[in-house]
Amino acid sequence: QVQLVQSGAEVRKPGASVKVSCKASGYSFTGYYIHWVRQAPGQGLEWMGWIDPNSGDSRYSQKFQGRLTMTKDTSVSTAYMELSRLRSDDTAIYYCARVTDFVVAPLTTRTFDPWGQGTLVTVSS
Amino acid sequence: DIQMTQSPSSLSASVGDRVTITCRASQNVRKYLNWYQQKPGKAPQLLMYAATSLKSGVPSRFSGSGSGTDFTLTISSLQPEDFATYYCQQSYSSPRTFGQGTKVEIK
Repeated sequence: QVQLVQSGAEVRKPGASVKVSCKASGYSFTGYYIHWVRQAPGQGLEWMGWIDPNSGDSRYSQKFQGRLTMTKDTSVSTAYMELSRLRSDDTAIYYCARVTDFVVAPLTTRTFDPWGQGTLVTVSS
Repeated sequence: DIQMTQSPSSLSASVGDRVTITCRASQNVRKYLNWYQQKPGKAPQLLMYAATSLKSGVPSRFSGSGSGTDFTLTISSLQPEDFATYYCQQSYSSPRTFGQGTKVEIK
């Protein structure tokens, strides 16, 4: 079945960087965009950006410009999200999610389905 | 960016109740509206897409309506497994913004 499995929890000090992985299985990795979404403790969902695993093209939320890098390694069907210059308010669960299109004529609508299990990143001195 | 606003932010309901959650977009998103369910400690899961279409395997007590800027998610008869937080998301334009969530709690 289609599955995204993320790397384990991380603890970092302020100013450091973290790299979270998202390993895909059950489908052609290069055929579907991957998005990253984060959720601070007790808060809602915040979209961070996407990567095209085929071309490597990516786009980020302006909020994270200059600190966020998304990459991929097609040889291991894995997408990566690296956030630098971490602050305490970056403490959150980070999710990857695959784009799945559904056709409801005349629309082709894009959804996030499935999601990875999430990776808790704690930023604390 | 398109802003998505859900109401209420939380609600208390009993098993068997009919529950309605509203989502409003800051501009016309046609029917490019998805709903997700998130249970505590779990990742969000897709419930509905294109405002009114149920994902395969989702119980038929869930239904959606609306287009343009105003949407609703209805649970016709709340079950114990439905206590969760629900998020709307527009897929009309990037960034694919979410509502702030509606937490459905047990009364």
